Amino acid sequence: GQNIDQPTEMTATEGAIVQINCTYQTSGFNGLFWYQQHAGEAPTFLSYNVLDGLEEKGRFSSFLSRSKGYSYLLLKELQMKDSASYLCAVREEGTGANNLFFGTGTRLTVIP
Amino acid sequence: DVKVTQSSRYLVKRTGEKVFLECVQDMDHENMFWYRQDPGLGLRLIYFSYDVKMKEKGDIPEGYSVSREKKERFSLILESASTNQTSMYLCASRIQGAKNIQYFGAGTRLSVL
Repeated sequence: GQNIDQPTEMTATEGAIVQINCTYQTSGFNGLFWYQQHAGEAPTFLSYNVLDGLEEKGRFSSFLSRSKGYSYLLLKELQMKDSASYLCAVREEGTGANNLFFGTGTRLTVIP
Repeated sequence: DVKVTQSSRYLVKRTGEKVFLECVQDMDHENMFWYRQDPGLGLRLIYFSYDVKMKEKGDIPEGYSVSREKKERFSLILESASTNQTSMYLCASRIQGAKNIQYFGAGTRLSVL
């Protein structure tokens, strides 16, 4: 099974850095994804981690520690357009088509 | 760019109606998925399909069925809609590979009155 936990809401200031945490418990970890979802729109893929460490992609970075069951998404130089929900999703081994299990999402509000 | 298109953005139906939600993807992906998204519960998998004419139950299949007659199209069917099926429904598709990234449609917000 899986238990994915992330904060419900966060607020940060334009230009700042924000870190969104995700913890999980799973019986067979096989990758962690971060998605961004603007209100009323489709979730879009941001990052993928399967090994420990930091993956950097422009202003966004994602970190994974498998031993701690922990990931974070780091957003730098925040822009107003970064206001969105951020979904953490874990893929488990041996679950049909390697299905994703999603957290409830963190709604980030960027203020001027 | 991958495109996943859901036929309706908003639907209003009455209790007991049969409802069809349609999803089409243009990237020849083998796998397709239907989720529902509810506040405080996140995305929950209803059904998925490995390939044409293949389907598997997800976490919450009760009250739903699916159809995959063509590779590009995956339909979600509510045989007899109920008020507790009021939700946002998201379709996704995925090509089998190392990352298995899922690509989502914009969603259909269904209200059952």
